[in-house]
Amino acid sequence: GAGVSQSPSNKVTEKGKDVELRCDPISGHTALYWYRQSLGQGLEFLIYFQGNSAPDKSGLPSDRFSAERTGGSVSTLTIQRTQQEDSAVYLCASSLPPGQLLVAQYFGPGTRLLVL
Amino acid sequence: AQKVTQAQTEISVVEKEDVTLDCVYETRDTTYYLFWYKQPPSGELVFLIRRNSFDEQNEISGRYSWNFQKSTSSFNFTITASQVVDSAVYFCALPYNTGFQKLVFGTGTRLLVSP
Repeated sequence: GAGVSQSPSNKVTEKGKDVELRCDPISGHTALYWYRQSLGQGLEFLIYFQGNSAPDKSGLPSDRFSAERTGGSVSTLTIQRTQQEDSAVYLCASSLPPGQLLVAQYFGPGTRLLVL
Repeated sequence: AQKVTQAQTEISVVEKEDVTLDCVYETRDTTYYLFWYKQPPSGELVFLIRRNSFDEQNEISGRYSWNFQKSTSSFNFTITASQVVDSAVYFCALPYNTGFQKLVFGTGTRLLVSP
């Protein structure tokens, strides 16, 4: 079946502009995650959605970052007033509902963001 | 705090050699999970294995095997008879907290397999 898809695959923007990154999870996966991968920081957790529960936003680096998930499926990560340090690959993952046993997360190909 | 250390930044081998990627972790949890992911040049993280701390039995899947040792807090990954297609960055990870899905990743080990 189809995996996690993300768009755009690449995004170049100017400092100060807003960007929106999109993630389409695997069908049936109720959990959705955003991570960021950069040279200096490695792979960092950003935010986690599970069903209708309040999202875990503990990894968002600043209030310029926000994310929403509409209809329990597609998610959009928004970065306002982008800064050069926001340049990174933004990875989305999805999984089956976590229960007593943690489940594997399946990742999309990422969106490579470059802020000039 | 949860921490994953992958001390090997880069490993280069010739095809058909065996190679072991090291992963050492720190956790405050008594029960926990560990994961390995592969990131090929295409960039997509590919799930390889999930292990829980109850089970220290080694696992083999084709050319891949994993050695989990709680006594040394290690979860090492061995590729037998490596192939060029194994060239990738490999990440070890564990959850922030028991029951929480968000993962703490190691810094990754880049494996280069040359023909």
